[in-house]
Amino acid sequence: KNQVEQSPQSLIILEGKNCTLQCNYTVSPFSNLRWYKQDTGRGPVSLTIMTFSENTKSNGRYTATLDADTKQSSLHITASQLSDSASYICVVSSQTGANNLFFGTGTRLTVIP
Amino acid sequence: NAGVTQTPKFRVLKTGQSMTLLCAQDMNHEYMYWYRQDPGMGLRLIHYSVGEGTTAKGEVPDGYNVSRLKKQNFLLGLESAAPSQTSVYFCASSYQGLSTGELFFGEGSRLTVL
Repeated sequence: KNQVEQSPQSLIILEGKNCTLQCNYTVSPFSNLRWYKQDTGRGPVSLTIMTFSENTKSNGRYTATLDADTKQSSLHITASQLSDSASYICVVSSQTGANNLFFGTGTRLTVIP
Repeated sequence: NAGVTQTPKFRVLKTGQSMTLLCAQDMNHEYMYWYRQDPGMGLRLIHYSVGEGTTAKGEVPDGYNVSRLKKQNFLLGLESAAPSQTSVYFCASSYQGLSTGELFFGEGSRLTVL
């Protein structure tokens, strides 16, 4: 069964600190993995998209890693800011099937001053 | 550049009432989607379209209908609303299909069915 699991469910960190969010998946055959940021009351916004051959991809203070062998990904946020408070959603795409995007339930990050 | 625009943003319905959610995109994307987001669950695909005049069922299509008469618009209809349809609905569009295309989401429409 194709599934995407994220951990932790929620996280509270101090402004300026770093954090890492985890994503494990069982989706096969794998096409790509995406991280989205969703601010409260807004739609998800894409942070990164990684294919099978990409191990690391950065977008400013956000760095995503992918280990396709262990089917794990992480999103590292450096020097967190209050504006990083949001839900972060891991999405994995399969190569087959018409409905081939599988969404995690997200990690709710709260950055406090 | 507005991207993906959803209307209305909020709506309260009584059980049995009907309504239509409108999604409009100005990026000339072929693919459009309707998702629902519920607490503790990942986004679930309701219906999608791979081009003007086409529609297809997603993971949770029951109780919904859609139409794509114009390339830039994708309408989601509820013919007889039920409390189980209380949710936040997101429209998305992409240049390519789901497996490779980056999704651009609207701001969401929060629907409450009493």
